[in-house]
Amino acid sequence: GESVGLHLPTLSVQEGDNSIINCAYSNSASDYFIWYKQESGKGPQFIIDIRSNMDKRQGQRVTVLLNKTVKHLSLQIAATQPGDSAVYFCAESVEYGNKLVFGAGTILRVKS
Amino acid sequence: GAGVSQSPSNKVTEKGKDVELRCDPISGHTALYWYRQSLGQGLEFLIYFQGNSAPDKSGLPSDRFSAERTGGSVSTLTIQRTQQEDSAVYLCASSRTGGNQPQHFGDGTRLSIL
Repeated sequence: GESVGLHLPTLSVQEGDNSIINCAYSNSASDYFIWYKQESGKGPQFIIDIRSNMDKRQGQRVTVLLNKTVKHLSLQIAATQPGDSAVYFCAESVEYGNKLVFGAGTILRVKS
Repeated sequence: GAGVSQSPSNKVTEKGKDVELRCDPISGHTALYWYRQSLGQGLEFLIYFQGNSAPDKSGLPSDRFSAERTGGSVSTLTIQRTQQEDSAVYLCASSRTGGNQPQHFGDGTRLSIL
């Protein structure tokens, strides 16, 4: 079946360091991917997206990399700040955006 | 409004009661989605609306769950005869046109079934 896997890591980084959060997806037909940030008691907040015709996309302090050969997605956060502490989800679009399939999430903890 | 608005933010009810959850999408967004997030879990798709039609209801867990959307705007998710396993956060999202566009989420309704 469809699945997007985050292996439930908890990533602890020092403030100012770069963070890399990884994600494996299983549906080779997926053509759109999104990263979300979720803080406690809040809904997921859109961070960045990427389409399958790209392998890299940059935003403000964030970069998403897509490797379709091995079905792998990563989110890089530069100069990680305490406000970046949250759960991060990757999601893949199936059925042309009619639904997103989410992984279980990765906890990012930023140490000051 | 500026973002997706959901109400109530919290709902506690007894097993067997019916509940209605409301979602106000971002103004002008034609696509609306409902997801469910159980404790410590990822998000599970429930249903997708394009305008007032629901082309994909495949995620609704049982016939106790239903949803409607009126005027291409507000949507309600109804759970009849609630069970304890229905306890979760119910999240609504909208996107401008559907398809491969970012989905923007509200803060959800936390539903607790006693």
